[in-house]
Amino acid sequence: AQTVTQSQPEMSVQEAETVTLSCTYDTSESNYYLFWYKQPPSRQMILVIRQEAYKQQNATENRFSVNFQKAAKSFSLKISDSQLGDTAMYFCAFMGETSGSRLTFGEGTQLTVNP
Amino acid sequence: DADVTQTPRNRITKTGKRIMLECSQTKGHDRMYWYRQDPGLGLRLIYYSFDVKDINKGEISDGYSVSRQAQAKFSLSLESAIPNQTALYFCATSDLAGGISIGELFFGEGSRLTVL
Repeated sequence: AQTVTQSQPEMSVQEAETVTLSCTYDTSESNYYLFWYKQPPSRQMILVIRQEAYKQQNATENRFSVNFQKAAKSFSLKISDSQLGDTAMYFCAFMGETSGSRLTFGEGTQLTVNP
Repeated sequence: DADVTQTPRNRITKTGKRIMLECSQTKGHDRMYWYRQDPGLGLRLIYYSFDVKDINKGEISDGYSVSRQAQAKFSLSLESAIPNQTALYFCATSDLAGGISIGELFFGEGSRLTVL
């Protein structure tokens, strides 16, 4: 079974600065997908970014980028030019090729962006 | 209107009561899921269904049951609620197709359940 670990329960950053959220995972599967989901105070879960394990290039979506280290089983999220609207709980998630689209989530990191 | 709708949004109940959380979707997706969110534990899968005749247990199915009434409807029941089932419950859907949408879950707005 796969596990996903987020070791930072809470983080804070000043507006306009850069912050990195950490995620590690464990799996025996050779092909898989990794995700970061955002949950703002509204409770709505929103997909931020997706990484396919067989792609060496790190995914980027505007101010959001990942640092995917396959050998280390590490998948961190970097948020550049942080905005107040980035304040949210962030979840790292894993989906193995054999998972049938079921996701395994980490514990979450509460990010607060301060003005 | 939301693509994935959950009712009720909030509910307070007493130990031993039967509770049903309902989920309906207009996305036309075959796959539907029920997750539970607890502080410090993230989201954990309770049940999932890949089509109307397919129901599967997730990692924490004890104390829960589900019904897939139609492609668009997936209900979660607590037959006899207990306090440690107090949590935020999410329904989600996903597309059977792969490609760009693979792995993306579309969530409802959550149902906060408190069992006293």
